[in-house]
Amino acid sequence: DSGVTQTPKHLITATGQRVTLRCSPRSGDLSVYWYQQSLDQGLQFLIQYYNGEERAKGNILERFSAQQFPDLHSELNLSSLELGDSALYFCASSPQVGGLSTEAFFGQGTRLTVV
Amino acid sequence: AQSVTQLDSHVSVSEGTPVLLRCNYSSSYSPSLFWYVQHPNKGLQLLLKYTSAATLVKGINGFEAEFKKSETSFHLTKPSAHMSDAAEYFCVVSERTNAGKSTFGDGTTLTVKP
Repeated sequence: DSGVTQTPKHLITATGQRVTLRCSPRSGDLSVYWYQQSLDQGLQFLIQYYNGEERAKGNILERFSAQQFPDLHSELNLSSLELGDSALYFCASSPQVGGLSTEAFFGQGTRLTVV
Repeated sequence: AQSVTQLDSHVSVSEGTPVLLRCNYSSSYSPSLFWYVQHPNKGLQLLLKYTSAATLVKGINGFEAEFKKSETSFHLTKPSAHMSDAAEYFCVVSERTNAGKSTFGDGTTLTVKP
């Protein structure tokens, strides 16, 4: 168990809808990252938040947005969903102590199916 | 800019034989390098990491990897494969100061035959 909790584990929704994925990082970790894993694109970094502020952006679509709350949990919002958004969405957290790189600890993922 | 190439999409070994999963990287700065393992329907688990200390890195479950700057490689090895090693393995490069802004390789699926 990595200590990172993602809910829900599975989500099935229709095209055009909006969903919210939730992530609780490991206790004490200030950084939260979101990744998308799909068969055709592999694992792609979407976005990072550090202590409530956006820190880095990857291949995140404009239809997607994220935020990190004061209690450090994070939500990834996906809107106007398309069939191609079906994927496994991972959240990871990292302590990011002193600016040095440490490994990221991954949650179990949320499997999103758009029908 | 950074990139990762995992040279084999599938590797098949017999139980008890050595494992070699190959990874080459490119980076415009001194990177951190990681290997993660993903078992079916599970999240990713860190196997080992290189962050500028010893070039031979030992990880969990008997895995190790050697950072070779001259070859820009970070191959993952294990002397003797176990059935439980069957999984997908990802080589990852990241900025030294930001673990999460990482670039993942496409993954190598390891099959272990009895």
